[in-house]
Amino acid sequence: QSALTQPASVSGSPGQSITISCTGTSSDVGGYNYVSWYQQHPGKAPKLMIYEVSNRPSGVSNRFSGSKSGNTASLTISGLQAEDEADYYCSSYTSSSSGVFGGGTKLTVL
Amino acid sequence: EVQLVESGGVVVQPGGSLRLSCAASGFTFDDYAMHWVRQAPGKGLEWVSLISWDGGSTYYADSVKGRFTISRDNSKNSLYLQMNSLRAEDTALYYCAKDIYAHSSGWYAVDYWGQGTLVTVSS
Repeated sequence: QSALTQPASVSGSPGQSITISCTGTSSDVGGYNYVSWYQQHPGKAPKLMIYEVSNRPSGVSNRFSGSKSGNTASLTISGLQAEDEADYYCSSYTSSSSGVFGGGTKLTVL
Repeated sequence: EVQLVESGGVVVQPGGSLRLSCAASGFTFDDYAMHWVRQAPGKGLEWVSLISWDGGSTYYADSVKGRFTISRDNSKNSLYLQMNSLRAEDTALYYCAKDIYAHSSGWYAVDYWGQGTLVTVSS
């Protein structure tokens, strides 16, 4: 149950696009299409942004999109806004039916 | 409106025990798998445990296996986490979370989270 690998931080200017990567193994990210992404603002509970690699829950902006290639999943945020500044976590189903998170990525909007 | 309200977090000594509870409302509780996820102060999210919709399957992170027990009472719309042999590294905010899929028995995604209950293990 090793954590998925995410960059510690990313940054971008308002209006730009950024991508956060999430690397696992064939026993988690690469083996299943159950990758999800969560946004967490300071002092708040996480919020689901993407599930099943690329699906957005109702109410989540279409500026958020997800994809996967091999053992690496990605979250892309286009048209960056100040309110997007937060921590982002990826997660995946694993071969033991359990869950595993990435270490988290701090997004800074410059 | 879906609501998940955790309780039971306190300061406990190393080696002690604690039971967390999560009261659920606003959805058909016994249709959904439920999860515990924790977050140590200033750290990332860590999946802890899950229980299937019917309670028939349970799974644990290696870090808590053999010490924590997840359970549910569908008649009371409640989820529990019995925590034994607590260690300093168990200090965290513990979130109760609802799985996105009905009748699931694994970690797929969670669409609702509680606000968390703080467990501090310290002498």
